[in-house]
Amino acid sequence: KQEVTQIPAALSVPEGENLVLNCSFTDSAIYNLQWFRQDPGKGLTSLLLIQSSQREQTSGRLNASLDKSSGRSTLYIAASQPGDSATYLCAVPGGATNKLIFGTGTLLAVQP
Amino acid sequence: DTAVSQTPKYLVTQMGNDKSIKCEQNLGHDTMYWYKQDSKKFLKIMFSYNNKELIINETVPNRFSPKSPDKAHLNLHINSLELGDSAVYFCASSQGTGEWGELFFGEGSRLTVL
Repeated sequence: KQEVTQIPAALSVPEGENLVLNCSFTDSAIYNLQWFRQDPGKGLTSLLLIQSSQREQTSGRLNASLDKSSGRSTLYIAASQPGDSATYLCAVPGGATNKLIFGTGTLLAVQP
Repeated sequence: DTAVSQTPKYLVTQMGNDKSIKCEQNLGHDTMYWYKQDSKKFLKIMFSYNNKELIINETVPNRFSPKSPDKAHLNLHINSLELGDSAVYFCASSQGTGEWGELFFGEGSRLTVL
């Protein structure tokens, strides 16, 4: 059974810092991995989708890496801004129907 | 234009009532989903439809009945509401038949059962 864990559960950093969010999954036989952002009272916004054959994906100040063999993904945020404050979730397809299994998220607060 | 829109955004009702949440996507996607996010922010899939056909039905009480009149719409009807049904319900869509493509989410419908 696929399980997804995110560490840390919460993170507070001063503006301008680079930071790393971690995602671990127990079953390495994944098709892809997605990182989402959720703002309070809002839905999820897809940030990056990494296919199983890829090692990383970049979008602006965001870089996501994938190491299937160790069951890990990291989301690197460069030069953090207060507008980056949100909950970040990772998700992988799992099970017979490949339904998405979500982590519990990392609540990020970037202090101005 | 909102890609995935769901209504209502807030819903407050009494136990035992029946309520519906509607969802529409204008992305031309084949697959639509309903997710439930509980008070601990844990997100879990409930249903998935591909071209109006049910493809994922998690262990959800049969008081919950999804309906897809066409591939752009997926509604959720809930009978005999219970306190434990209080949550935020998210609609989402993706291209393709599985949750392998990029998912686009609606803004959520917060259901409070009193």
